[in-house]
Amino acid sequence: DTAVSQTPKYLVTQMGNDKSIKCEQNLGHDTMYWYKQDSKKFLKIMFSYNNKELIINETVPNRFSPKSPDKAHLNLHINSLELGDSAVYFCASSQTLFQGAFFGQGTRLTVV
Amino acid sequence: GENVEQHPSTLSVQEGDSAVIKCTYSDSASNYFPWYKQELGKRPQLIIDIRSNVGEKKDQRIAVTLNKTAKHFSLHITETQPEDSAVYFCAASKGGGADGLTFGKGTHLIIQP
Repeated sequence: DTAVSQTPKYLVTQMGNDKSIKCEQNLGHDTMYWYKQDSKKFLKIMFSYNNKELIINETVPNRFSPKSPDKAHLNLHINSLELGDSAVYFCASSQTLFQGAFFGQGTRLTVV
Repeated sequence: GENVEQHPSTLSVQEGDSAVIKCTYSDSASNYFPWYKQELGKRPQLIIDIRSNVGEKKDQRIAVTLNKTAKHFSLHITETQPEDSAVYFCAASKGGGADGLTFGKGTHLIIQP
């Protein structure tokens, strides 16, 4: 009964490939996010969706495209992967007001 | 946009002593301040949070204080234990929801036996 689950946990791929990371939450939350944690452990928001609608799109290359088929799912598709995309990507969800985000277990993406 | 500064980047304390981590934020409209603990290889986990209409909040050995005028907030851990060793992140947001969280750069807390 994991609250926020994302797959895969590890992803190793070559430069130039296209890959997707899936995320699902069973908390009934309205808002879902993607965060990127770099090698220095810095956590930065990439996207925010509220009820399937894109709310935040930080300065992220347009090779990254989120898709929310319904309120419980937010997937991340990455085109033409680059070495600098290597990081841990966390999916998270929250209610809209005054509640901290609950994070998935993370996907460690390594681009070789 | 919001900017959150966190200090220190590394903190080493003796087991049983107290630890204090401090954060400042730039956007006076921010009104929700959570703290996360991240153990090695694990996800960030919410440990305590505070809203801007409250000055202090406690939960057993951890407490958070907020000074809205000075735009800073702090995490206090008393009677530290080995399992408190982790990276701690402060964060700020407006409303805690769709705006997302702006994180500090993290504090690596080391509890010395």
